[in-house]
Amino acid sequence: QKEVEQDPGPLSVPEGAIVSLNCTYSNSAFQYFMWYRQYSRKGPELLMYTYSSGNKEDGRFTAQVDKSSKYISLFIRDSQPSDSATYLCAMSGGYSSASKIIFGSGTRLSIRP
Amino acid sequence: DVKVTQSSRYLVKRTGEKVFLECVQDMDHENMFWYRQDPGLGLRLIYFSYDVKMKEKGDIPEGYSVSREKKERFSLILESASTNQTSMYLCASSHPTNTEAFFGQGTRLTVV
Repeated sequence: QKEVEQDPGPLSVPEGAIVSLNCTYSNSAFQYFMWYRQYSRKGPELLMYTYSSGNKEDGRFTAQVDKSSKYISLFIRDSQPSDSATYLCAMSGGYSSASKIIFGSGTRLSIRP
Repeated sequence: DVKVTQSSRYLVKRTGEKVFLECVQDMDHENMFWYRQDPGLGLRLIYFSYDVKMKEKGDIPEGYSVSREKKERFSLILESASTNQTSMYLCASSHPTNTEAFFGQGTRLTVV
């Protein structure tokens, strides 16, 4: 079993829809949770990160972490064609020289105009 | 603006060649990482380093080595390139809290 599971998609939704992207994980030591966006032929760029459980909002994006269920989500409101990309979740145990950042395999999202 | 720079965007090498991929960061980060990204497999960690001259194996270190002689520079070495090492290689750096990793643009390596 992978430490982090993410549905690869592809996911196709019409412009303006609310998008929900999700990851599950198995390691209860994870404390920091991140979402990255990756456009084709580019490196991933950090969208949001959260510490422990709870919600965090940034514009049209909301990240949720439920540590009791080992489940994290990214919601995109009023989705735009420019949101079409691959979205990767990532997580780590935090401050430790041996702490690695573990990534999900990514969900490919397409927003139809 | 934070920056992680990889020396090449595209690289074509022959089987058996020794290949160097260079990565430089200007954020004074202690941690640096090398990943490869393949369709359907996501990002897989090859090696990471948490300090100068320190390195740890990731999930797929076979066929690779790394060098970190200076804090800002982390090199990935393919000792003898093989066709199954054709991939997108991504370098990243982070603060020791590992809250955020910043990525370079990637090097698409093709081994023929």
